[in-house]
Amino acid sequence: DVKVTQSSRYLVKRTGEKVFLECVQDMDHENMFWYRQDPGLGLRLIYFSYDVKMKEKGDIPEGYSVSREKKERFSLILESASTNQTSMYLCASSSYMGDEQFFGPGTRLTVL
Amino acid sequence: AQKVTQAQTEISVVEKEDVTLDCVYETRDTTYYLFWYKQPPSGELVFLIRRNSFDEQNEISGRYSWNFQKSTSSFNFTITASQVVDSAVYFCALSELGGSNYKLTFGKGTLLTVNP
Repeated sequence: DVKVTQSSRYLVKRTGEKVFLECVQDMDHENMFWYRQDPGLGLRLIYFSYDVKMKEKGDIPEGYSVSREKKERFSLILESASTNQTSMYLCASSSYMGDEQFFGPGTRLTVL
Repeated sequence: AQKVTQAQTEISVVEKEDVTLDCVYETRDTTYYLFWYKQPPSGELVFLIRRNSFDEQNEISGRYSWNFQKSTSSFNFTITASQVVDSAVYFCALSELGGSNYKLTFGKGTLLTVNP
């Protein structure tokens, strides 16, 4: 059974903290993605990666960075968390661009 | 730039009613994919269908059917004889394949509530 897992379902952090969100896929997919989902705004792409150590900015990369040191793992980093980064974060992977994306269960991050 | 519009923010129906979720897209590319995803209350997005721009055939899968019309840039989704388990947020999405723009652009979603 194909799977994308995320390190936490719920996370509470304080303003200014450095936050790491981890995503792991077991499908040997080339491409991985980070989205945030907010009410009324749908899903918006933060960053994606099409290969190890490669990354591309999405629509809303400001305030975020990513790391992909291994094919199966894609990390989203909030260097200094702010309250406007309170959101649901979804990780996804796909075998090739244009293919269906498989999503993880999401991490609901609250920044106080 | 690519864009997906789901004009219906929320729809509420009674069980066994048919319901159609609208999706209109904009793209400059001739080669693209369209998708529908379902997000139940548990939160995890579930893939429902992918359609490429060269295949305008309608598709039926059980109670689900999809109507793709390039002339109107629409990819509508119909649930026949709706059930309570169909209650979810449904997202339409577009992926262009030209150039380096590989991203999946989502609509804002339609919340479907099926009441018993």
